[in-house]
Amino acid sequence: GQQVMQIPQYQHVQEGEDFTTYCNSSTTLSNIQWYKQRPGGHPVFLIQLVKSGEVKKQKRLTFQFGEAKKNSSLHITATQTTDVGTYFCAGARSSNYQLIWGAGTKLIIKP
Amino acid sequence: DTGVSQDPRHKITKRGQNVTFRCDPISEHNRLYWYRQTLGQGPEFLTYFQNEAQLEKSRLLSDRFSAERPKGSFSTLEIQRTEQGDSAMYLCASSPNPRWGPKKAQETQYFGPGTRLLVL
Repeated sequence: GQQVMQIPQYQHVQEGEDFTTYCNSSTTLSNIQWYKQRPGGHPVFLIQLVKSGEVKKQKRLTFQFGEAKKNSSLHITATQTTDVGTYFCAGARSSNYQLIWGAGTKLIIKP
Repeated sequence: DTGVSQDPRHKITKRGQNVTFRCDPISEHNRLYWYRQTLGQGPEFLTYFQNEAQLEKSRLLSDRFSAERPKGSFSTLEIQRTEQGDSAMYLCASSPNPRWGPKKAQETQYFGPGTRLLVL
């Protein structure tokens, strides 16, 4: 079945360093969404990408959707302690729009 | 609070017992989803409703799991004869109808706080 692979599983960074997580789908996606889950919390919607090659920015966060609509990335510039959490991508199948979730990348700020 | 609510927030039960969880979606959201999430994993789709109709159910869902949304508003998820492997966070999400058309935009899913189940 369709899968969305997300790497890395964890990323330890010093505050102020950049962070990137990548998602790769085995099949073409209709669109992809990104969510953030704080420790002990629930997923919260960040953004949706629909178009091939689309790039969207939210302050220090940059989201990209690949030309083939099979991969996506989230890049955070100059991480802050408020960025801590797990970032999930979730891709929609072309056929029926159900979301297939990646396993998430946990952002950990080194003390 | 106009967000998605879930009850209870925590449930501890003994193996073999039945449990029932409730989800109240955002008003006027037509779609309601149930997910299961274990530590270190993303949400795993269980089932979803369009109004009162259950449109899809994961093949991973055993016959011990059943969900209802009788009036198209709140939903319940029941697990019969619980097993230790059922221990997880059960998340509910709701969304408005998807926007159809050339852009094929997906609706945003709004998650509740979850019900954490521990089966002893």
